[in-house]
Amino acid sequence: DIQMTQSPSAMSASVGDRVIITCRASQDISTYLAWFQQKPGNVPKRLIFGTSNLQSGVPSRFSGSGSGTEFSLTISSLQPEDSATYYCLQHYSYPRAFGQGTKVEI
Amino acid sequence: EVELSQSGGGLAQPGGSLRLSCAASGFTFSHYTVTWVRQAPGKGLEWISAISGTAYSSFYSDSVKGRFTISRDNSKNVVELQMDSLRADDTAIYYCAKDEVGSMLHWGQGTLVTVSS
Repeated sequence: DIQMTQSPSAMSASVGDRVIITCRASQDISTYLAWFQQKPGNVPKRLIFGTSNLQSGVPSRFSGSGSGTEFSLTISSLQPEDSATYYCLQHYSYPRAFGQGTKVEI
Repeated sequence: EVELSQSGGGLAQPGGSLRLSCAASGFTFSHYTVTWVRQAPGKGLEWISAISGTAYSSFYSDSVKGRFTISRDNSKNVVELQMDSLRADDTAIYYCAKDEVGSMLHWGQGTLVTVSS
């Protein structure tokens, strides 16, 4: 089974900062990687699928990149509403696997 | 509009059973894989099971394999998760979700399952 490792597990940043979250797969998953945002008490929301495809309605300050085993989610200019926990998910094979999450505080 | 409405859940004793239901509307149900994801209190998301649109294929995480069974009734637009041999570490909010392009796009509201004596 494929394991996903995210870093950092938590971070604090300021409004306007550029934030990068990384996700590593235990084996090659091509570009089958999605990113989710979850705010406390809320249902997760998909931000990006297929590594770099922005979900409709998601602000363009979010972007994704990578391939193979190394991936990243970038928030180009952090906004107050981006305070949340972010998860990567490999959708290359079953069983699917989430990363452990990155909590972003502002 | 896509909607996923969850029911079931609640309190179960260790070793007991519960059945979760996920009723869908707003899309051609039989065309889409449905996934179950859970989140233990204060913890991250855990993928646990999925079933293909035709129900031909189903998948499980190692943590629930052999104890949980996923099924669907495309005539009723419902996916169910039968949970047997429940353990304390199954305590979590359980979400159903509709897959698009391989990952979960539309989510149910979540339902709390508590396993405790």
